[in-house]
Amino acid sequence: DAGVIQSPRHEVTEMGQEVTLRCKPISGHDYLFWYRQTMMRGLELLIYFNNNVPIDDSGMPEDRFSAKMPNASFSTLKIQPSEPRDSAVYFCASSLGRSGYTFGSGTRLTVV
Amino acid sequence: QKEVEQNSGPLSVPEGAIASLNCTYSDRGSQSFFWYRQYSGKSPELIMFIYSNGDKEDGRFTAQLNKASQYVSLLIRDSQPSDSATYLCAGGDGGGSYIPTFGRGTSLIVHP
Repeated sequence: DAGVIQSPRHEVTEMGQEVTLRCKPISGHDYLFWYRQTMMRGLELLIYFNNNVPIDDSGMPEDRFSAKMPNASFSTLKIQPSEPRDSAVYFCASSLGRSGYTFGSGTRLTVV
Repeated sequence: QKEVEQNSGPLSVPEGAIASLNCTYSDRGSQSFFWYRQYSGKSPELIMFIYSNGDKEDGRFTAQLNKASQYVSLLIRDSQPSDSATYLCAGGDGGGSYIPTFGRGTSLIVHP
């Protein structure tokens, strides 16, 4: 199994630009999560899906953030427009039920 | 507000010693607890989970759960320099949604 695959690994963009992060969960997993990690705030849950349906997006900081999961093997997290304070490492994770998460390698986003 | 608290450390132990990492949680209804290890610049990796009061052992790792005291710990026996990492505790949501809340993590340094 290739694990949870995220792309890109690094993204540097200018303030105001649109950023799209991508995630392929482990095949067969029914939960998918998007997290953001910073030194100041630690690991924050942004949104999670169950069977491709968004369940809780209360962690999405602003309307500038949106996430989709069009099918069981793909999800995107979009930031439009991006701001310097969005700079962080964004992790996607998937799980089968309550078995604990498998995290992707993360996307390090820098907004200048 | 459900919270999981950890001492940020760093906890420094000599090679071969027992490292004890601790975590407290506020949601008395939490049912499941997870320990993740995160090396610098890497993604969190699940190393242990525990659902029942008492101890659970896996190799050099022992997770301990005391629901009455709302306390979870991770013991690492015969600590090795390769165990140096940040250890994240996560407590499951007792409200039925299952989604765990992560602590900020404890940095462990094992020195030769």
